[in-house]
Amino acid sequence: KAGVTQTPRYLIKTRGQQVTLSCSPISGHRSVSWYQQTPGQGLQFLFEYFSETQRNKGNFPGRFSGRQFSNSRSEMNVSTLELGDSALYLCASSLGAAGVDTQYFGPGTRLTVL
Amino acid sequence: GDSVTQMEGPVTLSEEAFLTINCTYTATGYPSLFWYVQYPGEGLQLLLKATKADDKGSNKGFEATYRKETTSFHLEKGSVQVSDSAVYFCALSDILTGGGNKLTFGTGTQLKVEL
Repeated sequence: KAGVTQTPRYLIKTRGQQVTLSCSPISGHRSVSWYQQTPGQGLQFLFEYFSETQRNKGNFPGRFSGRQFSNSRSEMNVSTLELGDSALYLCASSLGAAGVDTQYFGPGTRLTVL
Repeated sequence: GDSVTQMEGPVTLSEEAFLTINCTYTATGYPSLFWYVQYPGEGLQLLLKATKADDKGSNKGFEATYRKETTSFHLEKGSVQVSDSAVYFCALSDILTGGGNKLTFGTGTQLKVEL
């Protein structure tokens, strides 16, 4: 079974631009979560989507948004990029079952904001 | 809120040495506990997990036991290899009010294994 895929793997943007990252979950997985990884803040939860609805949200400004499609694929968008948005963005998928669910991660998208 | 504390790195060991990476947690509910590993330039790979107290997770020679009384989930391996060099993250997952889970991670421990 194919794992979680993320595109693109690398992105370079300038301040003020916006960016869209894509994530395709493992087949049969209905939940997609996004995390930001930086050297200073470590791994932080952005949001989780399940059945095309945002089910949970972390503590990030409204510039960070996402959506999920009917095939469970997800995108996240960051508008008005700031230098501090430079990070590795990781997507994780899980079955979405009740109870605790194991999350499986993709390779990440490395975003650099200049 | 939930939190995870793991030992600072980097940890440098010789091949075939014994490894322990300490991890303790604080949680209001009954979380599941995980160890993930990250190799350079890659995402996170699930190494092992435990879903309830006294469970032992194991994989590829790594083990960790969910200790509720000490709120710990220490990672151990009897004999490390150079290929084990990576960053190891301890994490907990708790069920959120609206359903779904969120992983809370420790800061990561870099392991370097030398010949």
